[in-house]
Amino acid sequence: QVQLQESGPGLVKPSETLSLTCTVSGGSISSSYWSWIRQPPGKGLECIGHIYYRGSTNYNPSLKSRATISVDTSKNQLSLELSSVTAADTAVYYCARYSSDWYSYYFDDWGQGTLVTVSS
Amino acid sequence: DIQMTQSPSSLSASVGDRVTITCRASQSITTYLNWYQQKPGKAPNLLIHGTSYLQSGVPLRFSGGSVSGTNFTLTISSLQPEDFVTYYCQQTFTTPGTFGQGTKVEVK
Repeated sequence: QVQLQESGPGLVKPSETLSLTCTVSGGSISSSYWSWIRQPPGKGLECIGHIYYRGSTNYNPSLKSRATISVDTSKNQLSLELSSVTAADTAVYYCARYSSDWYSYYFDDWGQGTLVTVSS
Repeated sequence: DIQMTQSPSSLSASVGDRVTITCRASQSITTYLNWYQQKPGKAPNLLIHGTSYLQSGVPLRFSGGSVSGTNFTLTISSLQPEDFVTYYCQQTFTTPGTFGQGTKVEVK
C-alpha cells in the first residue's frame, strides 16, 4: 500500500489552466500505472486518464485533449494539467494507483482528494 | 464508450439485511468489473476487483458476482451500520474505464 497526497490551488479562474501534483510515498512511482479521477460536488466519478512511469498515457476522450498527465520519477510525483477550464471542471480531484491482475485493472490506493473550484 | 448502469440508484434497508446492487454494462466486459465504497467526504475504497475478488482487508460480508459478461452484482450479506454509504461499479475493459452512477444505501 502506498500513500498519495494531492496538492495545488483550490481556486482557478475560467479559461485558465488547472495544475495539480500528487506525491507518492511508501513506494516507488516507477512500478505502476497512476491515474487522475475527478468527482463534481454531489455527483459521480469520472476517470481523467492514466500514465505509466515511462510516460505512456491514456486520456478520457470527453476531455477533448485538454488534459495532460506527467510523471517526475526523481520526485516520485505525478501531475495533472487541465486547460481552458470552465465551471463544469469544478470537482474533487483524486490521484490513484492503477493496478492490475489477470482479471481486471483497478484503483487500489487513492489520495484524499483536493477540491478545485473554477470561478472568477 | 461502454455505459455502466447501476440499479437501484438508492435503496433503504436495515441493519442485518441482505442487499444486492446490480451493474449492467452496455457491452461485454468479461471480468473487468470493480466495486468501490465511498463514505461522505472520503475517497472511494476498493471492495471487489475482477468481478469477484475481495480486496485485502475488506470484510467477508461483501461479495461480487456476474450473471453474464454484462450483468454484475455486489451483495452485502448482513448490513452493518458503517455500510450505509454509496457504492460504485467501474468497468476497465476499455481505457480509461467508466463508473456507474452510484447506489446510495440508506437506513430504512
